[in-house]
Amino acid sequence: EAGVVQSPRYKIIEKKQPVAFWCNPISGHNTLYWYRQNLGQGPELLIRYENEEAVDDSQLPKDRFSAERLKGVDSTLKIQPAELGDSAVYLCASSLGVLGGSTDTQYFGPGTRLTVL
Amino acid sequence: GDSVTQMEGPVTLSEEAFLTINCTYTATGYPSLFWYVQYPGEGLQLLLKATKADDKGSNKGFEATYRKETTSFHLEKGSVQVSDSAVYFCALSVSQGAQKLVFGQGTRLTINP
Repeated sequence: EAGVVQSPRYKIIEKKQPVAFWCNPISGHNTLYWYRQNLGQGPELLIRYENEEAVDDSQLPKDRFSAERLKGVDSTLKIQPAELGDSAVYLCASSLGVLGGSTDTQYFGPGTRLTVL
Repeated sequence: GDSVTQMEGPVTLSEEAFLTINCTYTATGYPSLFWYVQYPGEGLQLLLKATKADDKGSNKGFEATYRKETTSFHLEKGSVQVSDSAVYFCALSVSQGAQKLVFGQGTRLTINP
């Protein structure tokens, strides 16, 4: 079974430029998550989707960040314009969500390492 | 709010040594507790979990017991290997299942041959 796929794996941009990250979750997983992981820290949730609906985006900086999950499968996270402080690893994860009940488990992709110069 | 505090790293041990990585938590409800591992160049992988007090999660020789009285979930392994070198994250979820994970800061473990 294929895992969570993310691209690109690495991205280097100059500040004020736009950038986008793509995620393909595990087939059949209704819930998709985007996390940001700063150097030396644990992941922090940015947004959670149940199918195509964003059900928790309270930590997403909406002035510059946006996300979409068309058709409830693939998802894209965008930053426009990027700032120096956005340098981090952006992780995508997926799970069965509420359908998984108490046994639900999040599966993570390898992440995209963003460097903003 | 809900939070997780992990033992400061990095931790360096010799092969076959005993490992303990401490993890304590603060939560408003009755959380499920998790340990995730991140090998170099890879995504986070679930190592083990426990969903209620006194449960013991185990996998690949690692164990952790959910201690409600001390709000702890310490990770242990009796004899570490070089291949255990990775970053370990303790996490909690107060939702049913794992929809709302809160992570600790991670502990980098290096095992020398």
